[in-house]
Amino acid sequence: GAVVSQHPSWVICKSGTSVKIECRSLDFQATTMFWYRQFPKQSLMLMATSNEGSKATHEQGVEKDKFLINHASLTLSTLTVTSAHPEDSSFYICSARVGGPNGYTFGSGTRLTVV
Amino acid sequence: DAKTTQPNSMESNEEEPVHLPCNHSTISGTDYIHWYRQLPSQGPEYVIHGLTSNVNNRMASLAIAEDRKSSTLILHRATLRDAAVYYCILRDLTQGGSEKLVFGKGTKLTVNP
Repeated sequence: GAVVSQHPSWVICKSGTSVKIECRSLDFQATTMFWYRQFPKQSLMLMATSNEGSKATHEQGVEKDKFLINHASLTLSTLTVTSAHPEDSSFYICSARVGGPNGYTFGSGTRLTVV
Repeated sequence: DAKTTQPNSMESNEEEPVHLPCNHSTISGTDYIHWYRQLPSQGPEYVIHGLTSNVNNRMASLAIAEDRKSSTLILHRATLRDAAVYYCILRDLTQGGSEKLVFGKGTKLTVNP
């Protein structure tokens, strides 16, 4: 089935630095990718939708200049958390829409800890 | 906003059936009912989906009420590996490129050995 590979699986960074998270579609072309954030014991919250070759659409309340999204190819989308702060510590998950009944496939998530 | 309502948590014993309910009273005629589950520290994975008829696959069964305002995910024999948060989600496939998957709070299933 369609697989999205997400890296890194975890990262620890210092406050004020930037962190990049990558999601690659391994055996299909992902025209659209979605980025979610999940705080402990909470559900997934959609942050933004990225379409290959165009600007991402961020959800209300999500700063587009802080959470930079690049979707330059049909197999790669990246999320960069700029000037990270401890409150950005969270579980970040990417997802791609795939054809067929499954609908969506998800990456394995990235645990970001900002110290 | 999520258009489904699920119990916060449920508990089951290993090798017993589990029935996870979901209410979606505002479902429209073009909404499909999808179930995903999320194991601890992992991304969600697809479980099953349906429109009107009951559905079976290797993972689970989906029973949909005749009025489609509720559905039940059935795990026929729960295993410890089924412990996860289960999300019931409505997908309107007519939205095409503007479709977004919106997660509610889901049901945390605990399976006791």
